[in-house]
Amino acid sequence: RKEVEQDPGPFNVPEGATVAFNCTYSNSASQSFFWYRQDCRKEPKLLMSVYSSGNEDGRFTAQLNRASQYISLLIRDSKLSDSATYLCVVTPNTGNQFYFGTGTSLTVIP
Amino acid sequence: GAGVSQSPSNKVTEKGKDVELRCDPISGHTALYWYRQRLGQGLEFLIYFQGNSAPDKSGLPSDRFSAERTGESVSTLTIQRTQQEDSAVYLCASSPGDRDSEYFGPGTRLTVT
Repeated sequence: RKEVEQDPGPFNVPEGATVAFNCTYSNSASQSFFWYRQDCRKEPKLLMSVYSSGNEDGRFTAQLNRASQYISLLIRDSKLSDSATYLCVVTPNTGNQFYFGTGTSLTVIP
Repeated sequence: GAGVSQSPSNKVTEKGKDVELRCDPISGHTALYWYRQRLGQGLEFLIYFQGNSAPDKSGLPSDRFSAERTGESVSTLTIQRTQQEDSAVYLCASSPGDRDSEYFGPGTRLTVT
């Protein structure tokens, strides 16, 4: 079983729409959680960390559900510039390795 | 401040040749990671270094792959006797440690002909 699983999409949404991605992780003792964004032919960049109580950064909201072992990313009022692949990342409770999901592709359509 | 840098940005090599890829992490970051990403695929973990601890080599796909890091500075990833399936983008990332988020370099695009 993979450490992290994501729906690969693609998600095609119109500008202004709200879109949500989920990601599940297998290790209940996982420690830290992140969402990264990767543009085509570019390196991944940190979008936001995910905190236990949930957190928001502008149009982006991240949530963690430890009981069900999933994290989510909600994007409100989608912009064309939000088009990218969104990677879910989890770290274990021991060691410093990062486990990446395969990514969810989002295209925002004018 | 300066981010993670990698060199070369692009490398084309003939099958069977050795290549060496370089990564300069963010100053002060104790953890350094190498990943491979084939076209249209996800990130594949290769190896990570944490301070002076023994590296975690569990992701290296074969004994043709090796990596070194001097202290908490530069790292090199060496691929011997390259094969066409080694063609990919090789990404390096560094982290302050303690499961802080990691920061990626721009990658080296390797093409084996």
